Amino acid sequence: IAGITQAPTSQILAAGRRMTLRCTQDMRHNAMYWYRQDLGLGLRLIHYSNTAGTTGKGEVPDGYSVSRANTDDFPLTLASAVPSQTSVYFCASSDPGLPGNEQFFGPGTRLTVL
Amino acid sequence: RKEVEQDPGPFNVPEGATVAFNCTYSNSASQSFFWYRQDCRKEPKLLMSVYSSGNEDGRFTAQLNRASQYISLLIRDSKLSDSATYLCAVNDGAGGSYIPTFGRGTSLIVHP
Repeated sequence: IAGITQAPTSQILAAGRRMTLRCTQDMRHNAMYWYRQDLGLGLRLIHYSNTAGTTGKGEVPDGYSVSRANTDDFPLTLASAVPSQTSVYFCASSDPGLPGNEQFFGPGTRLTVL
Repeated sequence: RKEVEQDPGPFNVPEGATVAFNCTYSNSASQSFFWYRQDCRKEPKLLMSVYSSGNEDGRFTAQLNRASQYISLLIRDSKLSDSATYLCAVNDGAGGSYIPTFGRGTSLIVHP
Protein backbone atom coordinates (compact mmCIF):
# COMPACT_ATOMS: atom_id res chain seq x y z
CA ILE A 1 0.00 0.00 0.00
CA ALA A 2 1.29 3.48 -0.78
CA GLY A 3 -0.75 6.38 0.56
CA ILE A 4 -4.48 5.97 1.05
CA THR A 5 -6.71 3.28 -0.33
CA GLN A 6 -10.49 3.17 -0.38
CA ALA A 7 -12.89 0.33 -1.04
CA PRO A 8 -15.07 -0.24 -2.86
CA THR A 9 -14.31 1.91 -5.89
CA SER A 10 -18.00 2.15 -6.63
CA GLN A 11 -21.21 0.69 -5.31
CA ILE A 12 -24.90 0.68 -6.15
CA LEU A 13 -26.97 0.20 -3.04
CA ALA A 14 -30.66 -0.22 -2.33
CA ALA A 15 -32.18 2.30 0.03
CA GLY A 16 -32.39 1.06 3.58
CA ARG A 17 -29.30 -1.12 3.32
CA ARG A 18 -26.29 -0.79 5.58
CA MET A 19 -22.97 0.02 3.94
CA THR A 20 -19.42 0.49 5.19
CA LEU A 21 -16.88 2.37 3.13
CA ARG A 22 -13.32 1.39 3.95
CA CYS A 23 -10.29 3.65 4.17
CA THR A 24 -6.72 2.64 5.00
CA GLN A 25 -3.54 4.71 5.06
CA ASP A 26 0.04 3.59 5.52
CA MET A 27 1.62 6.99 6.21
CA ARG A 28 1.07 6.81 9.98
CA HIS A 29 -0.85 10.08 9.84
CA ASN A 30 -2.66 10.95 13.03
CA ALA A 31 -5.61 12.75 11.45
CA MET A 32 -8.14 11.26 9.05
CA TYR A 33 -11.24 12.68 7.41
CA TRP A 34 -14.29 11.70 5.40
CA TYR A 35 -15.74 14.06 2.81
CA ARG A 36 -18.56 13.84 0.35
CA GLN A 37 -18.39 15.75 -2.89
CA ASP A 38 -21.51 16.72 -4.78
CA LEU A 39 -21.80 18.83 -7.92
CA GLY A 40 -22.00 22.50 -7.03
CA LEU A 41 -21.44 21.90 -3.33
CA GLY A 42 -17.76 21.07 -3.22
CA LEU A 43 -16.15 18.98 -0.52
CA ARG A 44 -18.14 18.74 2.68
CA LEU A 45 -16.70 17.21 5.82
CA ILE A 46 -18.71 14.33 7.29
CA HIS A 47 -16.57 13.13 10.20
CA TYR A 48 -12.97 13.40 11.24
CA SER A 49 -10.53 11.87 13.68
CA ASN A 50 -7.54 13.75 15.10
CA THR A 51 -5.96 10.57 16.48
CA ALA A 52 -6.76 6.91 17.03
CA GLY A 53 -9.59 6.50 19.52
CA THR A 54 -11.17 9.91 18.90
CA THR A 55 -13.71 11.12 16.34
CA GLY A 56 -15.61 14.31 15.68
CA LYS A 57 -18.53 15.53 13.63
CA GLY A 58 -18.08 17.63 10.56
CA GLU A 59 -20.48 19.74 8.55
CA VAL A 60 -22.82 16.94 7.40
CA PRO A 61 -22.63 14.04 9.90
CA ASP A 62 -26.28 12.92 9.96
CA GLY A 63 -26.82 9.39 8.69
CA TYR A 64 -23.13 8.49 9.00
CA SER A 65 -20.94 7.02 11.71
CA VAL A 66 -17.22 6.38 11.98
CA SER A 67 -14.76 4.57 14.20
CA ARG A 68 -11.00 4.86 14.65
CA ALA A 69 -9.76 1.74 16.38
CA ASN A 70 -6.20 2.19 15.10
CA THR A 71 -4.05 4.71 13.23
CA ASP A 72 -4.41 3.15 9.79
CA ASP A 73 -8.13 2.52 9.35
CA PHE A 74 -11.10 4.88 9.34
CA PRO A 75 -14.30 3.20 8.11
CA LEU A 76 -17.46 5.17 7.34
CA THR A 77 -20.81 3.46 7.89
CA LEU A 78 -24.20 4.34 6.49
CA ALA A 79 -26.61 2.58 8.83
CA SER A 80 -29.63 2.84 6.53
CA ALA A 81 -28.79 4.38 3.18
CA VAL A 82 -31.05 6.98 1.58
CA PRO A 83 -30.96 8.34 -2.01
CA SER A 84 -29.62 11.72 -0.80
CA GLN A 85 -26.45 9.92 0.22
CA THR A 86 -25.64 9.29 -3.42
CA SER A 87 -22.30 11.00 -3.79
CA VAL A 88 -18.57 10.58 -4.22
CA TYR A 89 -16.88 9.91 -0.91
CA PHE A 90 -13.25 10.82 -0.29
CA CYS A 91 -11.15 9.76 2.64
CA ALA A 92 -8.14 11.90 3.53
CA SER A 93 -5.34 11.98 6.06
CA SER A 94 -2.89 14.54 7.35
CA ASP A 95 -0.23 14.91 9.99
CA PRO A 96 -0.46 18.22 11.90
CA GLY A 97 3.09 17.65 13.08
CA LEU A 98 4.46 18.18 9.60
CA PRO A 99 4.97 21.61 8.03
CA GLY A 100 1.99 22.65 5.95
CA ASN A 101 -0.33 19.92 7.17
CA GLU A 102 -1.70 19.33 3.71
CA GLN A 103 -4.23 16.58 3.20
CA PHE A 104 -3.68 13.44 1.18
CA PHE A 105 -6.78 12.01 -0.45
CA GLY A 106 -7.80 8.51 -1.39
CA PRO A 107 -9.14 7.78 -4.88
CA GLY A 108 -12.77 7.99 -3.77
CA THR A 109 -15.82 5.74 -3.63
CA ARG A 110 -18.75 6.47 -5.97
CA LEU A 111 -21.92 5.49 -4.17
CA THR A 112 -25.36 5.36 -5.74
CA VAL A 113 -28.36 4.75 -3.49
CA LEU A 114 -31.52 3.74 -5.31
CA ARG B 1 -22.76 31.32 3.31
CA LYS B 2 -19.67 29.24 2.92
CA GLU B 3 -16.61 30.47 4.80
CA VAL B 4 -14.36 30.03 1.80
CA GLU B 5 -15.54 31.42 -1.53
CA GLN B 6 -14.30 30.85 -5.05
CA ASP B 7 -15.56 31.91 -8.46
CA PRO B 8 -16.74 28.61 -9.95
CA GLY B 9 -15.90 29.66 -13.51
CA PRO B 10 -15.36 28.03 -15.87
CA PHE B 11 -12.38 30.03 -16.96
CA ASN B 12 -11.91 29.26 -20.63
CA VAL B 13 -8.47 30.39 -21.87
CA PRO B 14 -6.19 29.68 -24.84
CA GLU B 15 -2.88 27.92 -24.48
CA GLY B 16 -0.16 30.28 -23.38
CA ALA B 17 -2.50 32.62 -21.53
CA THR B 18 -2.03 33.80 -17.98
CA VAL B 19 -4.95 33.18 -15.66
CA ALA B 20 -5.54 34.06 -12.03
CA PHE B 21 -7.97 32.72 -9.45
CA ASN B 22 -8.90 34.26 -6.14
CA CYS B 23 -10.26 32.67 -3.03
CA THR B 24 -11.68 34.69 -0.14
CA TYR B 25 -12.00 33.48 3.43
CA SER B 26 -13.99 34.85 6.35
CA ASN B 27 -11.99 33.73 9.40
CA SER B 28 -9.26 36.27 10.08
CA ALA B 29 -7.57 33.77 12.44
CA SER B 30 -6.90 31.33 9.61
CA GLN B 31 -3.37 30.00 9.76
CA SER B 32 -2.58 27.93 6.71
CA PHE B 33 -3.66 28.00 3.12
CA PHE B 34 -3.47 25.64 0.19
CA TRP B 35 -4.31 25.18 -3.45
CA TYR B 36 -5.36 21.73 -4.63
CA ARG B 37 -5.89 20.49 -8.16
CA GLN B 38 -8.65 18.03 -8.98
CA ASP B 39 -8.95 16.30 -12.33
CA CYS B 40 -12.28 15.00 -13.54
CA ARG B 41 -13.40 11.97 -11.53
CA LYS B 42 -10.18 11.95 -9.50
CA GLU B 43 -9.20 12.90 -5.99
CA PRO B 44 -7.87 16.36 -5.08
CA LYS B 45 -4.08 16.60 -4.95
CA LEU B 46 -2.01 19.30 -3.33
CA LEU B 47 -0.73 21.81 -5.86
CA MET B 48 0.99 24.13 -3.45
CA SER B 49 0.86 25.58 0.01
CA VAL B 50 0.53 29.35 0.27
CA TYR B 51 3.03 31.17 2.44
CA SER B 52 2.80 34.67 3.83
CA SER B 53 5.60 35.90 1.62
CA GLY B 54 4.12 34.33 -1.48
CA ASN B 55 5.66 31.41 -3.28
CA GLU B 56 6.34 30.23 -6.78
CA ASP B 57 6.66 26.80 -8.34
CA GLY B 58 7.50 26.96 -12.00
CA ARG B 59 4.56 28.52 -13.83
CA PHE B 60 2.46 28.70 -10.67
CA THR B 61 2.53 31.56 -8.16
CA ALA B 62 0.49 31.65 -4.97
CA GLN B 63 -0.02 34.73 -2.83
CA LEU B 64 -1.70 35.52 0.46
CA ASN B 65 -3.29 38.83 1.34
CA ARG B 66 -4.18 38.72 5.02
CA ALA B 67 -5.50 42.29 5.15
CA SER B 68 -8.11 41.56 2.49
CA GLN B 69 -8.44 37.90 3.46
CA TYR B 70 -7.84 36.22 0.16
CA ILE B 71 -5.37 33.94 -1.52
CA SER B 72 -4.61 33.86 -5.20
CA LEU B 73 -3.19 31.44 -7.74
CA LEU B 74 -1.56 32.67 -10.92
CA ILE B 75 -0.84 30.30 -13.78
CA ARG B 76 1.45 31.57 -16.50
CA ASP B 77 1.86 30.11 -19.99
CA SER B 78 -1.18 27.84 -19.59
CA LYS B 79 -0.94 24.31 -20.95
CA LEU B 80 -3.74 22.03 -22.09
CA SER B 81 -2.81 19.79 -19.18
CA ASP B 82 -3.63 22.57 -16.73
CA SER B 83 -7.34 21.98 -17.41
CA ALA B 84 -8.79 20.93 -14.08
CA THR B 85 -10.68 22.23 -11.07
CA TYR B 86 -8.65 24.21 -8.56
CA LEU B 87 -9.73 24.10 -4.93
CA CYS B 88 -8.53 26.43 -2.25
CA ALA B 89 -8.38 25.28 1.36
CA VAL B 90 -8.07 27.33 4.52
CA ASN B 91 -7.15 25.92 7.91
CA ASP B 92 -7.70 27.79 11.16
CA GLY B 93 -6.07 25.22 13.43
CA ALA B 94 -8.51 26.01 16.22
CA GLY B 95 -8.07 23.91 19.38
CA GLY B 96 -5.34 21.83 17.78
CA SER B 97 -7.77 20.48 15.24
CA TYR B 98 -6.41 20.98 11.74
CA ILE B 99 -9.58 20.77 9.73
CA PRO B 100 -9.45 22.72 6.51
CA THR B 101 -12.43 24.36 4.88
CA PHE B 102 -12.51 23.94 1.13
CA GLY B 103 -13.87 26.26 -1.46
CA ARG B 104 -16.18 24.80 -4.08
CA GLY B 105 -13.52 24.99 -6.74
CA THR B 106 -12.79 26.97 -9.88
CA SER B 107 -12.92 25.17 -13.20
CA LEU B 108 -10.20 25.94 -15.75
CA ILE B 109 -10.41 24.90 -19.38
CA VAL B 110 -7.36 25.53 -21.54
CA HIS B 111 -8.05 25.20 -25.25
CA PRO B 112 -5.71 25.00 -28.26
